[in-house]
Amino acid sequence: DTAVSQTPKYLVTQMGNDKSIKCEQNLGHDTMYWYKQDSKKFLKIMFSYNNKELIINETVPNRFSPKSPDKAHLNLHINSLELGDSAVYFCASSHRQSSYEQYFGPGTRLTVT
Amino acid sequence: AQSVTQPDIHITVSEGASLELRCNYSYGATPYLFWYVQSPGQGLQLLLKYFSGDTLVQGIKGFEAEFKRSQSSFNLRKPSVHWSDAAEYFCAVAPNAGGTSYGKLTFGQGTILTVHP
Repeated sequence: DTAVSQTPKYLVTQMGNDKSIKCEQNLGHDTMYWYKQDSKKFLKIMFSYNNKELIINETVPNRFSPKSPDKAHLNLHINSLELGDSAVYFCASSHRQSSYEQYFGPGTRLTVT
Repeated sequence: AQSVTQPDIHITVSEGASLELRCNYSYGATPYLFWYVQSPGQGLQLLLKYFSGDTLVQGIKGFEAEFKRSQSSFNLRKPSVHWSDAAEYFCAVAPNAGGTSYGKLTFGQGTILTVHP
């Protein structure tokens, strides 16, 4: 059984388009995260939600908007895609009381052309 | 601001040899410390963590790490590497600030481990 799943796994799109990445976890966790891994492999947190409430919001362009319909799902919508948005995006989840023990999805490789 | 440095981008070892992956952090106080592993096509998996207490921590898959406050280091070790250990390894830190940071991990750049038969 997949614990944290992301769709799609690969996403190739043109500049200016709007795209979404979906994340689902079946671990019963109440906190979910989005990370961006750039071309130099640095993994940086973007957002964190706990029970559908935004609790971490790093310095991320307004074009990125997370949406959490329930605590098992955290989607990432990106408007007006730019070349610099090309990266691997990871979703993760945890229990709030052990928020550093995070379980990661396999990643979504986004390529903007 | 806190930061994590993994000085070795790529390490190659022979199967059965010992392994040490280096991690240095920069932070005003002792942070929480972690090692994650990422196998090809997979998400990151937590190997081990240090919060406080004994500075030598044991993790899964036979890995251990030692926290050395004087050196601001948290190096990962394994006495005998298996071919299945080939993966990318990430060191991470988080503020030791109680419940206010909610999982805000800062990762190093990663070290790719190649294992020769």
